[in-house]
Amino acid sequence: NAGVMQNPRHLVRRRGQEARLRCSPMKGHSHVYWYRQLPEEGLKFMVYLQKENIIDESGMPKERFSAEFPKEGPSILRIQQVVRGDSAAYFCASSPPTVMEKLFFGSGTQLSVL
Amino acid sequence: DAKTTQPNSMESNEEEPVHLPCNHSTISGTDYIHWYRQLPSQGPEYVIHGLTSNVNNRMASLAIAEDRKSSTLILHRATLRDAAVYYCILSLLGFGVQGGKLIFGQGTELSVKP
Repeated sequence: NAGVMQNPRHLVRRRGQEARLRCSPMKGHSHVYWYRQLPEEGLKFMVYLQKENIIDESGMPKERFSAEFPKEGPSILRIQQVVRGDSAAYFCASSPPTVMEKLFFGSGTQLSVL
Repeated sequence: DAKTTQPNSMESNEEEPVHLPCNHSTISGTDYIHWYRQLPSQGPEYVIHGLTSNVNNRMASLAIAEDRKSSTLILHRATLRDAAVYYCILSLLGFGVQGGKLIFGQGTELSVKP
């Protein structure tokens, strides 16, 4: 059973470009969470999604950031018009649809904005 | 969210036990105590969780104080691969919005000497 898969592992963008980060949850998991880790800081919750629904986006910046988890395919975290401050490691986690005891994290996408 | 306090860093010798403390004096009756760890350049990894009773699994043991205001993660025989940042997190367990919204602090950076 493959773990949580994130791609790309590393992503380089110039200021003003768009960044798309993909996350495929573990098989059978229907809950996806995105976290961001800025340099020298702890992980910060961004958004919690279920299939076709955003459940909690209280940690998402108000502008330029969006997330989706369609019925088919991976979850996507989209950052429009990236700025240098968006440079960070972005981690996706998943959990099964039943009682949530623990999160399974992917290896993350390291976003670098030039 | 209830807050946890951990030492910034700890050192251990290989093959010796390690006791990682965590204070959570404002814990509520419904908060579970979770431990995750993050190895360099990787996503967090679940270690263990508990509510009131001490817990053991193949990775570690969790000792919870009787008043639940503190807990200790015990690695019985540290290896070089245990060098990581260890996070103590309070969270509700179970299905719902709060289940996956883990609030990560700064954690304890554990270094293991050969």
